[in-house]
Amino acid sequence: AQTVTQSQPEMSVQEAETVTLSCTYDTSESDYYLFWYKQPPSRQMILVIRQEAYKQQNATENRFSVNFQKAAKSFSLKISDSQLGDAAMYFCAYRRHYGGATNKLIFGTGTLLAVQP
Amino acid sequence: GAGVSQSPRYKVAKRGQDVALRCDPISGHVSLFWYQQALGQGPEFLTYFQNEAQLDKSGLPSDRFFAERPEGSVSTLKIQRTQQEDSAVYLCASSLVRFRGAGDEKLFFGSGTQLSVL
Repeated sequence: AQTVTQSQPEMSVQEAETVTLSCTYDTSESDYYLFWYKQPPSRQMILVIRQEAYKQQNATENRFSVNFQKAAKSFSLKISDSQLGDAAMYFCAYRRHYGGATNKLIFGTGTLLAVQP
Repeated sequence: GAGVSQSPRYKVAKRGQDVALRCDPISGHVSLFWYQQALGQGPEFLTYFQNEAQLDKSGLPSDRFFAERPEGSVSTLKIQRTQQEDSAVYLCASSLVRFRGAGDEKLFFGSGTQLSVL
């Protein structure tokens, strides 16, 4: 079974600085997707960034980028130029690429990010 | 609608009561998921629908949990004889395409229903 581990329950960053959130996962599959989701107090999960395991190039979305290390099964999120609106709970998630089973998301336990003005 | 809508936003139930949680997915979305998010945890999969067919209910924690999507649009998650351990946020998510294939499916989440069982 696949598992996702986020070892940082809480992180804090100064506004305009850079912060990195860690995520490791375990799977025996070679093709899969990895995601970072943001959950503000409104509770709605918002997709931040997605990485396809077969792509070696790290995904980037504006101020958000990932460091995907497939052999190490590591998938960290870097937020550059942090803004007050980045404060939220961040979840790392795994989804198999395809197959007979439901392509459900498997989430980690989350990292609560605080942004200090 | 513009997004996935869930109602009610908050629900307080006495232990033993039955509750029904509603999810209105984005119009035309084929796939629909229910997740349960306990306090301080990540969401956990409950069940999956493709149109009206419930293709996976492996995450439902007990036979007190029941979900339906009779016309392939609105879905209802019903919990019978609620227990305190059922207290959680219940999230619904939908996607335009089927999830049993590879592809660039984007999942849209609602804001959830927070259930508190006293």
